[in-house]
Amino acid sequence: DTAVSQTPKYLVTQMGNDKSIKCEQNLGHDTMYWYKQDSKKFLKIMFSYNNKELIINETVPNRFSPKSPDKAHLNLHINSLELGDSAVYFCASRWGDPSSTDTQYFGPGTRLTVL
Amino acid sequence: AQSVAQPEDQVNVAEGNPLTVKCTYSVSGNPYLFWYVQYPNRGLQFLLKYITGDNLVKGSYGFEAEFNKSQTSFHLKKPSALVSDSALYFCAVRGGGSGTYKYIFGTGTRLKVLA
Repeated sequence: DTAVSQTPKYLVTQMGNDKSIKCEQNLGHDTMYWYKQDSKKFLKIMFSYNNKELIINETVPNRFSPKSPDKAHLNLHINSLELGDSAVYFCASRWGDPSSTDTQYFGPGTRLTVL
Repeated sequence: AQSVAQPEDQVNVAEGNPLTVKCTYSVSGNPYLFWYVQYPNRGLQFLLKYITGDNLVKGSYGFEAEFNKSQTSFHLKKPSALVSDSALYFCAVRGGGSGTYKYIFGTGTRLKVLA
């Protein structure tokens, strides 16, 4: 059983389009994250939600909008896609409130290619 | 501000030899330190973490790491490398002060174990 799953695995789209990436975790975790990994493999946090509440919002363009319909899901919607948005996007989750030091579990990633 | 540095982009080691992947950090308060491994086209997998207690932490797949407060380091080690250990390794830090809930990842170190 997949603990943290993401759909789609690959996404190829044209500049200017709007797209969404979905993340679901079946671990009962309270906190979920979105990370962006660029072509040099640098990993940077974008957003974090705890019990559907936004707790981390990094300096990400407002074309990116996370949505957490419930504790088990954190989706990422991207408007007006740009070439620079091409990257691998990872979802992660963990137990506990924001101060918890529990381990993060990562999804398999979504490779977004903007043409 | 929190930061973590992995000074080596790549580490090459012969199979059977000991390996070390370096990590240094900067945080306010007590640090919470993590190592993750990423295999090609996969998400990050947790290896080990230091929260408090013994400075030598043992983790998955025979890896261990030593927390050194005076040198602000958390180097990853393994006594005898396997070819299957070849992957990308990330060190991550989270500060212990209130409000510092972000996990900051290093730029990654590619480990190549040569047969």
